[in-house]
Amino acid sequence: AQSVAQPEDQVNVAEGNPLTVKCTYSVSGNPYLFWYVQYPNRGLQFLLKYITGDNLVKGSYGFEAEFNKSQTSFHLKKPSALVSDSALYFCAVRDKKKVNTGFQKLVFGTGTRLLVSP
Amino acid sequence: NAGVTQTPKFQVLKTGQSMTLQCAQDMNHEYMSWYRQDPGMGLRLIHYSVGAGITDQGEVPNGYNVSRSTTEDFPLRLLSAAPSQTSVYFCASSLQNNQPQHFGDGTRLSIL
Repeated sequence: AQSVAQPEDQVNVAEGNPLTVKCTYSVSGNPYLFWYVQYPNRGLQFLLKYITGDNLVKGSYGFEAEFNKSQTSFHLKKPSALVSDSALYFCAVRDKKKVNTGFQKLVFGTGTRLLVSP
Repeated sequence: NAGVTQTPKFQVLKTGQSMTLQCAQDMNHEYMSWYRQDPGMGLRLIHYSVGAGITDQGEVPNGYNVSRSTTEDFPLRLLSAAPSQTSVYFCASSLQNNQPQHFGDGTRLSIL
């Protein structure tokens, strides 16, 4: 079964410093990987995805993610953190298994809380 | 643009009561899903639909029913509420299977 792991419950970084939120995955075959962000009392918002192609994927709000097949990782990065980036971040992988309806579910990690201090 | 709209935003129920969580999207998306979010567990899929009239179970379907009579609406029914169903519920939709999902702002449900 496909799965993702987010090893850090919380990441603390000072404003202006680079940030990394870690994600590792376990899949059979090539993965479809996603990052979502959740602000307080809101639903998840899509940040970026990796399907195929360049290992460095650029997304919304200046975020990017680096796909590393040998390390089975898909870490989220940003060169300079903002206080407004403080939120809950979820990594997800699309399950390659198609049920009879053709649906492929998203498998989410447990989330990493990012706290950016002024 | 409304996107995905969930109502109510908050609800408190007593054990054994039933209720329906509403979800509507105005993007003409075929795929819709219901998730529950619990601390330390990420999001878990309850039920999903790939189009009007077609629904199926996710990983935690017990105690919940869904129907999809129109493309726009995908209500989630709690048949007999239990304290274990206290959670935040999210509805999501996508145009195609491999496209990003659009989420509503959630319904915060407490079962006493």
